[in-house]
Amino acid sequence: NAGVTQTPKFQVLKTGQSMTLQCAQDMNHNSMYWYRQDPGMGLRLIYYSASEGTTDKGEVPNGYNVSRLNKREFSLRLESAAPSQTSVYFCASTEGQNYGYTFGSGTRLTVV
Amino acid sequence: RKEVEQDPGPFNVPEGATVAFNCTYSNSASQSFFWYRQDCRKEPKLLMSVYSSGNEDGRFTAQLNRASQYISLLIRDSKLSDSATYLCVVDYTGGFKTIFGAGTRLFVKA
Repeated sequence: NAGVTQTPKFQVLKTGQSMTLQCAQDMNHNSMYWYRQDPGMGLRLIYYSASEGTTDKGEVPNGYNVSRLNKREFSLRLESAAPSQTSVYFCASTEGQNYGYTFGSGTRLTVV
Repeated sequence: RKEVEQDPGPFNVPEGATVAFNCTYSNSASQSFFWYRQDCRKEPKLLMSVYSSGNEDGRFTAQLNRASQYISLLIRDSKLSDSATYLCVVDYTGGFKTIFGAGTRLFVKA
């Protein structure tokens, strides 16, 4: 019963490098999300996908792009990493309103 | 003013104590409310939804006061394993505008 699977779990990048964070869910959820979590702050929404084929910006989309590859997979790309993108990234999915989210285990990203 | 505000704590309580967390939200159009638990260096996990009539799950009781725009979480008979950060979450429209509080840290000591 995997739920939401994120890879990688840890990553160190140099400023200007690019990378893609992968996320997959096996719960047949329509909606998927990418959040970042910084110390002392609540989770902030980067991008979301309400359903396969659609993506929309969240609160902090600058510097990121996403792809909803199919119903299961939703990836987050950093084209040119910056130290301000050092954070913990969580992917989540939901069955719908009133059900809450299921989160992946997170990716700890450090940009030096 | 933050859209969802929580006392950051930490709350330090002995085993067996009752502890209450409050959370206030600023937008009266809020529709769904949740409490999540997050262990250190782990992902948030849904603890319980919060319903208008209040709801209970074992030692945990959640209350919603729409008039005053706050929700609360009461933990009775605290266990060491309850030590975690508790996140208050407010959902405005179908999950596409979900605001997370910064969390309240709880330490339960023997």
